[in-house]
Amino acid sequence: DAKTTQPNSMESNEEEPVHLPCNHSTISGTDYIHWYRQLPSQGPEYVIHGLTSNVNNRMASLAIAEDRKSSTLILHRATLRDAAVYYCILRNNNAGNMLTFGGGTRLMVKP
Amino acid sequence: DTAVSQTPKYLVTQMGNDKSIKCEQNLGHDTMYWYKQDSKKFLKIMFSYNNKELIINETVPNRFSPKSPDKAHLNLHINSLELGDSAVYFCASSQASGQRNSPLHFGNGTRLTVT
Repeated sequence: DAKTTQPNSMESNEEEPVHLPCNHSTISGTDYIHWYRQLPSQGPEYVIHGLTSNVNNRMASLAIAEDRKSSTLILHRATLRDAAVYYCILRNNNAGNMLTFGGGTRLMVKP
Repeated sequence: DTAVSQTPKYLVTQMGNDKSIKCEQNLGHDTMYWYKQDSKKFLKIMFSYNNKELIINETVPNRFSPKSPDKAHLNLHINSLELGDSAVYFCASSQASGQRNSPLHFGNGTRLTVT
């Protein structure tokens, strides 16, 4: 699987927007960009995914660069409950349909 | 309703023992997975399984074996437990069809402690 690069950690204030960046310069044309997050003491949770166009859902927005070599997960108003590790992952038709996690970005939200 | 459930939530056992962790999903998915999260918090894929094939991460010792009695269950058996097996184990599931487009759903993990 192609590799992604994320900052180790970020801080945000509560009720402010958060932009979590991800670089994936070796992305292939068939890779989907997936984002997951892991809250403390819980399993990873799907957030959003996209291929080329920007995507919105109830949890977040995903902005994908035109060349697809980077993407940004946008939380429009951070809450304390959004404090988690956020993972950006490229997904393709690999054997076993497996998802490979990197180190992720630890988001800290200050009240 | 819990979509992916694992039991037990905590498992404490001694070196050399054999133990199992159970996983059930009620999402109708046809692919299930086991992940290991070590003390440094890295999530590593161990297995991917559907009714057609088992894909094993080559770094997983053969003391670990997945067993699937039916499509909704994928249990993890561990033989001759070692101290280094202490970790949190997560089960997950997804649809195989449209795989690049299908999210994984994870359980809340089983914390295994080997003493």
